[in-house]
Amino acid sequence: DAKTTQPTSMDCAEGRAANLPCNHSTISGNEYVYWYRQIHSQGPQYIIHGLKNNETNEMASLIITEDRKSSTLILPHATLRDTAVYYCIVRVLWAPYNQGGKLIFGQGTELSVKP
Amino acid sequence: DSGVTQTPKHLITATGQRVTLRCSPRSGDLSVYWYQQSLDQGLQFLIQYYNGEERAKGNILERFSAQQFPDLHSELNLSSLELGDSALYFCASSVAGTGTYNEQFFGPGTRLTVL
Repeated sequence: DAKTTQPTSMDCAEGRAANLPCNHSTISGNEYVYWYRQIHSQGPQYIIHGLKNNETNEMASLIITEDRKSSTLILPHATLRDTAVYYCIVRVLWAPYNQGGKLIFGQGTELSVKP
Repeated sequence: DSGVTQTPKHLITATGQRVTLRCSPRSGDLSVYWYQQSLDQGLQFLIQYYNGEERAKGNILERFSAQQFPDLHSELNLSSLELGDSALYFCASSVAGTGTYNEQFFGPGTRLTVL
């Protein structure tokens, strides 16, 4: 699975859009970009994933550059409850049998939403 | 609430002891994953079971073992405990072992403290 690079921390004002970048310059053609978040010591929570097209769901939008070497997770109107560590993970959708569906977490970005 | 349950929430024990952590996946999910989160190592994948069979192994110590039962619940057994085993242990579940519908839902975790 390709490695990802994320800023260690970011701040965002409540009500504003939070844009969290992720670099994955060694991504392969069959690898997807996934985002999870972890609110203090709770279990990680799936947010969104995509291959090359931009994706949007009720939680967030995912923008992937045309060369797929980087992506941005957008929380359109951040609230205090969005304060969390956000993990960008790159992995294949169909893994070999003995590799299963494991997630490899990096250090993530600690997002602080401030009033 | 992700639908994944873990017991106990907290566990305090002494070095050299053995403990069992339990996980019940979401209804209908066939895969169970175990992750360990410590302060110095971050979130690390330990092992995955799919429909009762071991599917993938990560950085799981030989002192640790897991199994998935016919009713699909899983147990993680940790023996000869050391101070460094103190961590949050998360269980996650997904419908499939890999591929589509592999979004993972995490439980609230078990906090293990080894004294």
